[in-house]
Amino acid sequence: DAKTTQPTSMDCAEGRAANLPCNHSTISGNEYVYWYRQIHSQGPQYIIHGLKNNETNEMASLIITEDRKSSTLILPHATLRDTAVYYCIVRVLNSGGSNYKLTFGKGTLLTVNP
Amino acid sequence: NAGVTQTPKFQVLKTGQSMTLQCAQDMNHEYMSWYRQDPGMGLRLIHYSVGAGITDQGEVPNGYNVSRSTTEDFPLRLLSAAPSQTSVYFCASRTGTGITGELFFGEGSRLTVL
Repeated sequence: DAKTTQPTSMDCAEGRAANLPCNHSTISGNEYVYWYRQIHSQGPQYIIHGLKNNETNEMASLIITEDRKSSTLILPHATLRDTAVYYCIVRVLNSGGSNYKLTFGKGTLLTVNP
Repeated sequence: NAGVTQTPKFQVLKTGQSMTLQCAQDMNHEYMSWYRQDPGMGLRLIHYSVGAGITDQGEVPNGYNVSRSTTEDFPLRLLSAAPSQTSVYFCASRTGTGITGELFFGEGSRLTVL
């Protein structure tokens, strides 16, 4: 799996957009970019994933550069409840394969301030 | 819909004792896995299963056993607990079909080995 690099921590003002970067310069053509987050003392929560195109759902937007070497997770209007560790993960998706694993790094601690 | 349920939420053991962490999911997911999370570190995969009767090792399997006799349950056994196994344990599952890639996590089991 391609390795990812994320900043250790970031701050964001409540109500503003939070833009979380992730570098994955060794990503291969069949690897997806996933984002999860972990609010303190809870289990990780899936946010979004994508391959090439930008993706949006009710939680966030995922912007993947054209060369796919980096991506940005955007929380459009951050709230205090978005304070969490955000994990960027790159993985081949085995939709019917013999195994499926995600490797979590240390992620980015996003602190949303009032 | 309960999702992924882990029991117990908290447990204190003495060195050498054995115990089982229970994990159950009601989403008919084929894939189930166990992670541990230690302070300052990301989640590390212990064991995983791609279906009833099939299990495999992850990154840190030593000291842990698993079995998968039903689709719903994936217990994690510590045969002889050691202080190094003090950690927060998360169980996760996902469907084996489709391409959503979403892992559903339980709320965690916090284990202390004295």
